Amino acid sequence: DAGITQSPRHKVTETGTPVTLRCHQTENHRYMYWYRQDPGHGLRLIHYSYGVKDTDKGEVSDGYSVSRSKTEDFLLTLESATSSQTSVYFCAISENRGGEDQPQHFGDGTRLSIL
Amino acid sequence: QKEVEQNSGPLSVPEGAIASLNCTYSDRGSQSFFWYRQYSGKSPELIMSIYSNGDKEDGRFTAQLNKASQYVSLLIRDSQPSDSATYLCAVDTGRRALTFGSGTRLQVQP
Repeated sequence: DAGITQSPRHKVTETGTPVTLRCHQTENHRYMYWYRQDPGHGLRLIHYSYGVKDTDKGEVSDGYSVSRSKTEDFLLTLESATSSQTSVYFCAISENRGGEDQPQHFGDGTRLSIL
Repeated sequence: QKEVEQNSGPLSVPEGAIASLNCTYSDRGSQSFFWYRQYSGKSPELIMSIYSNGDKEDGRFTAQLNKASQYVSLLIRDSQPSDSATYLCAVDTGRRALTFGSGTRLQVQP
């Protein structure tokens, strides 16, 4: 399995509170991604990173921010959580080898419930 | 129009049969195509990647890509009950970030 650890694995919190999810990798991969998965929508990209301090927005970035201060850690923050952000959040990593992008591999996910 | 379309299913096949899963995409510039398998409550697991037109076989799995028609398919031969899962089609349009379909749920009946 790809060395990806997401924490926490489960979290229940209240509307309006800040929430930070952590993705930690031991593969030294350059690219890291945050997705959310909701019934009927598949996986949707929130933000991604192509290096330390280099991040970009995905399809559903509103209400989320990210930071990557070290290669191994990619943090996703909900500044003020809303019930619409209740979801399962997946982190993924990938690398480019010999000029070819390698497939993404996923962490085990974080189930976040916002009441 | 969604960028990546899949029939949500469920697709039900008997054990030992061939399961055929299909996916269409809208961006003609798409370069890389992936099939992920996801068991209920688990994370997506890569099972196939394909980058050029034609067929690619790996064990019981065959991925087929037709860029002119903008579709990619996955065939599972000798389907087993353990193949019962949701299969996600993912497309890389060149920005490295993947666009996923909503997934097709496959049920293999013993």
